[in-house]
Amino acid sequence: DAGITQSPRHKVTETGTPVTLRCHQTENHRYMYWYRQDPGHGLRLIHYSYGVKDTDKGEVSDGYSVSRSKTEDFLLTLESATSSQTSVYFCAISESTGLEKLFFGSGTQLSVL
Amino acid sequence: AQKVTQAQTEISVVEKEDVTLDCVYETRDTTYYLFWYKQPPSGELVFLIRRNSFDEQNEISGRYSWNFQKSTSSFNFTITASQVVDSAVYFCALNGGFKTIFGAGTRLFVKA
Repeated sequence: DAGITQSPRHKVTETGTPVTLRCHQTENHRYMYWYRQDPGHGLRLIHYSYGVKDTDKGEVSDGYSVSRSKTEDFLLTLESATSSQTSVYFCAISESTGLEKLFFGSGTQLSVL
Repeated sequence: AQKVTQAQTEISVVEKEDVTLDCVYETRDTTYYLFWYKQPPSGELVFLIRRNSFDEQNEISGRYSWNFQKSTSSFNFTITASQVVDSAVYFCALNGGFKTIFGAGTRLFVKA
């Protein structure tokens, strides 16, 4: 199994608070992604990174920011969490070209009350 | 813009039936990759197959087979002689350049 760790696995927070989710990989893969999974929508791309300090927006980036200061870590931040951001968040990694299959983390269940 | 459509939200079959999951995609790219992933009830996401846009040969892997038709922009997935363990959500996905876009998924129930 690909070495991808997401933390925390579960989080409950209140509207308006900042939240940071962490994705850590031990595979030295270049590409890292954050997706959210919601019923009826499948997996939607939030942000992705193609290298250290290189990031770009995905389909549903509003309200989220990311940072990648090291190859192995990709952080997703909700600056001011809203109830619409209640979701399951998956981190994924991909090898050198970004065109290969994705390896996924176990997911983070985030509830914003 | 890229888009993946899985029109079947849920499918229910009895064990040993064959079932086909439909996937239609839209892209302006001439080079792209198509994927299928499986999400069993445990929640993890598992890669099943990757095909590039220049390879329209059908693929078979055990009870699984995939039919890629560029003319209809479809990449359908068939499970032959379904089993209870096939119960999962199946996602079709498209990558035209560094980003993978997913369909909404099809939930498959296989009853014993």
